[in-house]
Amino acid sequence: DAGVTQSPTHLIKTRGQQVTLRCSPKSGHDTVSWYQQALGQGPQFIFQYYEEEERQRGNFPDRFSGHQFPNYSSELNVNALLLGDSALYLCASSLNGQGSNQPQHFGDGTRLSIL
Amino acid sequence: AQSVAQPEDQVNVAEGNPLTVKCTYSVSGNPYLFWYVQYPNRGLQFLLKYITGDNLVKGSYGFEAEFNKSQTSFHLKKPSALVSDSALYFCAVRDGYGGATNKLIFGTGTLLAVQP
Repeated sequence: DAGVTQSPTHLIKTRGQQVTLRCSPKSGHDTVSWYQQALGQGPQFIFQYYEEEERQRGNFPDRFSGHQFPNYSSELNVNALLLGDSALYLCASSLNGQGSNQPQHFGDGTRLSIL
Repeated sequence: AQSVAQPEDQVNVAEGNPLTVKCTYSVSGNPYLFWYVQYPNRGLQFLLKYITGDNLVKGSYGFEAEFNKSQTSFHLKKPSALVSDSALYFCAVRDGYGGATNKLIFGTGTLLAVQP
């Protein structure tokens, strides 16, 4: 049973560049959430995708955008990268309809470093 | 606004001793509470959750948590710590204003260090 997989594991970019991070949800899951975890902090919710649409968004600027594909996989895109975007980006999946009290399953994250 | 607080940045305990990692919450309505663990360079692993029912919740790897409504706390506990329990622990609450989503709001984390 494949868990949540994310790629790449590490990425180095420079300020102003654009980046795309990818996530495949756990088998059987249809909902994907993205979180940003800065060093020494807890994860912060970026947004959630269900049925290929953004269902809810956290307090992040429009430079952060996403997409969900028909196979439930998802991408996180960040434009005009800033030094402050350096963080671990976590993808989490769950199954809609089981109730919002079900735990989310997390991938190992993509470590993004901005130079 | 929904929030959780983890008052201790780090907890040190000797192997074999009981451990407690503290968490307090602030929510509107009924709290849905979770504990996750993060090992170095890894994502978050689910340990346990409280939705309703018994105040003592049992989870993975021998961990349990006690829900206390009057103190608005959800402390993580284990009767006998192992060196392999050393990791970063996060308390989280489901955002009650999230509608259909299960968006989580996390605390800042507590580093658990178990000495041999």
